[in-house]
Amino acid sequence: SAVISQKPSRDICQRGTSLTIQCQVDSQVTMMFWYRQQPGQSLTLIATANQGSEATYESGFVIDKFPISRPNLTFSTLTVSNMSPEDSSIYLCSVERGDEQYFGPGTRLTVT
Amino acid sequence: QKEVEQNSGPLSVPEGAIASLNCTYSDRGSQSFFWYRQYSGKSPELIMSIYSNGDKEDGRFTAQLNKASQYVSLLIRDSQPSDSATYLCAVNPLGGSARQLTFGSGTQLTVLP
Repeated sequence: SAVISQKPSRDICQRGTSLTIQCQVDSQVTMMFWYRQQPGQSLTLIATANQGSEATYESGFVIDKFPISRPNLTFSTLTVSNMSPEDSSIYLCSVERGDEQYFGPGTRLTVT
Repeated sequence: QKEVEQNSGPLSVPEGAIASLNCTYSDRGSQSFFWYRQYSGKSPELIMSIYSNGDKEDGRFTAQLNKASQYVSLLIRDSQPSDSATYLCAVNPLGGSARQLTFGSGTQLTVLP
């Protein structure tokens, strides 16, 4: 498995502001993933982050809204920009270890 | 649009019974299949992975895969109240090294004492 931490664990933000979520892994990984889980829903992949290259975004997600950084093989950040109440979700990072994918504890974001 | 569908819940079973969770997928080329357990307010926890047709057992959990019929299931034997959670089926539609999982909507399981 993998030991993954995320900061912050939760936050309440005002609309129009931005929040940066950090994801730290206990050892080097090639690929990191960012997911969103809206209330009562399943997980939706936002983007895939490889170290040294631009993140790859899924349909419906754009870099201007969700910029991602991947400065090294153990760390990534996701920024939720110009937030609206519709961005209220749990944001999860995950990493691939072997053939399997493991999730961090998540960041619960509430936008008021 | 690659889809993963799970049997609608919620599902309730008595303690000690077998809980059966089902999942179908649309991409016939899918190679990897996973079951995650998610307790309320927590992140998904990987409990089973399966790659080949047939059964794979791990303790009280058995995953079953039938690629011809495009379904994967999870059986939980001797269900315990601590098994009460949402179970998510996830499929890797690409195979290879690009692990972009597609998740089903989840089945909420309640095990009644």
